Amino acid sequence: EAGVTQSPTHLIKTRGQQVTLRCSPISGHTSVYWYQQALGLGLQFLLWYDEGEERNRGNFPPRFSGRQFPNYSSELNVNALELEDSALYLCASSLNIDKEEKLFFGSGTQLSVL
Amino acid sequence: EDQVTQSPEALRLQEGESSSLNCSYTVSGLRGLFWYRQDPGKGPEFLFTLYSAGEEKEKERLKATLTKKESFLHITAPKPEDSATYLCAVQAFNNNDMRFGAGTRLTVKP
Repeated sequence: EAGVTQSPTHLIKTRGQQVTLRCSPISGHTSVYWYQQALGLGLQFLLWYDEGEERNRGNFPPRFSGRQFPNYSSELNVNALELEDSALYLCASSLNIDKEEKLFFGSGTQLSVL
Repeated sequence: EDQVTQSPEALRLQEGESSSLNCSYTVSGLRGLFWYRQDPGKGPEFLFTLYSAGEEKEKERLKATLTKKESFLHITAPKPEDSATYLCAVQAFNNNDMRFGAGTRLTVKP
């Protein structure tokens, strides 16, 4: 069974540009989570989607946005890129939001903003 | 606001030298506390879930314990392949997203 897949694996952008990251959850998983992991820092919660709806968002500016599609895949969009947006962006999926449910992570998209 | 603090930030051990990693948390109604392992360039990999104070779980050389304020990840006789960053996360009843600590970077030297 395929795990969580993310694309692209690496991306280089310049300040002010826009970027879209993609995530496909494990088959049957309806919840998708996005995290930012800057160098030397822990995972910072960005967004949580379930059944196509945004359920919660972390303490990030509105230029970070996303969506979840009917097939439960998800996109993370970042507008007006800043140097400090350089980080590993991780997507995770889980099966059931009503129970204590572990997350399954993809390998991430490494974004570099120059 | 939910908070997770891990210590130490980094830990260097000799092969076979046992030690413990700490995860202190504040959360309004703990649904679960999770431990993950992360290797460089990869996403975190699930290790354990603990639900209530007094609970313990073991997997090979790792043992996780939970109190009302903190969790410990005990590593017994570690091997070089145990080198990784270990992450702790909490999930609250009133908020299903998972909040992570900054992690402990473990290096085990042969």
